[in-house]
Amino acid sequence: DAMVIQNPRYQVTQFGKPVTLSCSQTLNHNVMYWYQQKSSQAPKLLFHYYDKDFNNEADTPDNFQSRRPNTSFCFLDIRSPGLGDAAMYLCATSSRTSGYNEQFFGPGTRLTVL
Amino acid sequence: EDQVTQSPEALRLQEGESSSLNCSYTVSGLRGLFWYRQDPGKGPEFLFTLYSAGEEKEKERLKATLTKKESFLHITAPKPEDSATYLCAVFGNQGGKLIFGQGTELSVKP
Repeated sequence: DAMVIQNPRYQVTQFGKPVTLSCSQTLNHNVMYWYQQKSSQAPKLLFHYYDKDFNNEADTPDNFQSRRPNTSFCFLDIRSPGLGDAAMYLCATSSRTSGYNEQFFGPGTRLTVL
Repeated sequence: EDQVTQSPEALRLQEGESSSLNCSYTVSGLRGLFWYRQDPGKGPEFLFTLYSAGEEKEKERLKATLTKKESFLHITAPKPEDSATYLCAVFGNQGGKLIFGQGTELSVKP
């Protein structure tokens, strides 16, 4: 089945220690998104790639970076995690050719910062 | 500014007790309204897309409807396995991104 895969599902890091979260997709969608979701809150868009074009949200901290080496993979790098970065990180994909931005989400990575 | 408000924040139902969840929105040029289901510790699962006022879509015990100002997610004879948080989101002509509501946490007791 076509799907969005995130690894790892759970990640524990130490305050200030860089961490990388990964996302892969078999949907062949040209748009990939990274969201941050804290407990009982709506997902918050961090950035997205339209093909190789990177689009950063204005309020996304510089501490968060992303890479998309090819269509299938996208990475979220947190350079110096703080306690406030503990959250669920969601990857999503969509096909802009559909015109209506239906987004399909992965299972998420739960990040804990000690 | 595009905005989505969901109500109630939490809803407790008995098994078989039908009800509705509300999603009120303001958006510049609606291009799509989306409903998602999210189980604890998991990513949102896509349910429906509605494009224009008057449109309705159904899936098992769920039915989504759309007007020019709001959408309803009707749950008929719910079962405990329907317990989850239901998220509503809109995509408009401006902003270029999904705007999510805060969600409604549904609990269905046997």
